[in-house]
Amino acid sequence: SQWGEENLQALSIQEGEDVTMNCSYKTYTTVVQWYRQKSGKGPAQLILIRSNEREKRSGRLRATLDTSSQSSSLSITGTLATDTAVYFCATESQGGRALIFGTGTTVSVSP
Amino acid sequence: GGIITQTPKFLIGQEGQKLTLKCQQNFNHDTMYWYRQDSGKGLRLIYYSITENDLQKGDLSEGYDASREKKSSFSLTVTSAQKNEMAVFLCASSIGKNSDYTFGSGTRLLVI
Repeated sequence: SQWGEENLQALSIQEGEDVTMNCSYKTYTTVVQWYRQKSGKGPAQLILIRSNEREKRSGRLRATLDTSSQSSSLSITGTLATDTAVYFCATESQGGRALIFGTGTTVSVSP
Repeated sequence: GGIITQTPKFLIGQEGQKLTLKCQQNFNHDTMYWYRQDSGKGLRLIYYSITENDLQKGDLSEGYDASREKKSSFSLTVTSAQKNEMAVFLCASSIGKNSDYTFGSGTRLLVI
């Protein structure tokens, strides 16, 4: 799981498997965003979940948010080799004007 | 669709050198950001700007200057490059608070 400056976590799975990654955050936030970063590219947003939502789905992605435990998860169902990337969660900072990013979870999907 | 462009893609500098990284976006986004990405440490905020000529410091601003002379561009200066420093600098833009960010592909810095 991700938390501030904690070490990067790595997961290796086979294509077709499901994967879930977790994120814990330290300060109050009204939104959690999940980003994916492929090798040599900048991060790209996957999903945004607000504090009044417990779950949000988008295609094969499912994000959850538990504000009481200050944690969020991102699940990918039926992974593809193209899902290989580093996944970051991001929460509010600077009065909501900037995002704090977690340390990231590296997901490697083998064909 | 818009695009956010960072130049240069690769930057090799010498210790003590002042180095400038540039970022351009054509989304007409108000807010722009500079993050530093070191291996295993995620992204750390250096500077951001909510509008032209505005500058706000992030947690990692020491050793850096920034400039937002136009809405479409945001530059970052490493005031004195540190030897053996290696990182990726990512520029991003957004409409504003709680909206999604669009990132550039990064500038990879190596200081020798």
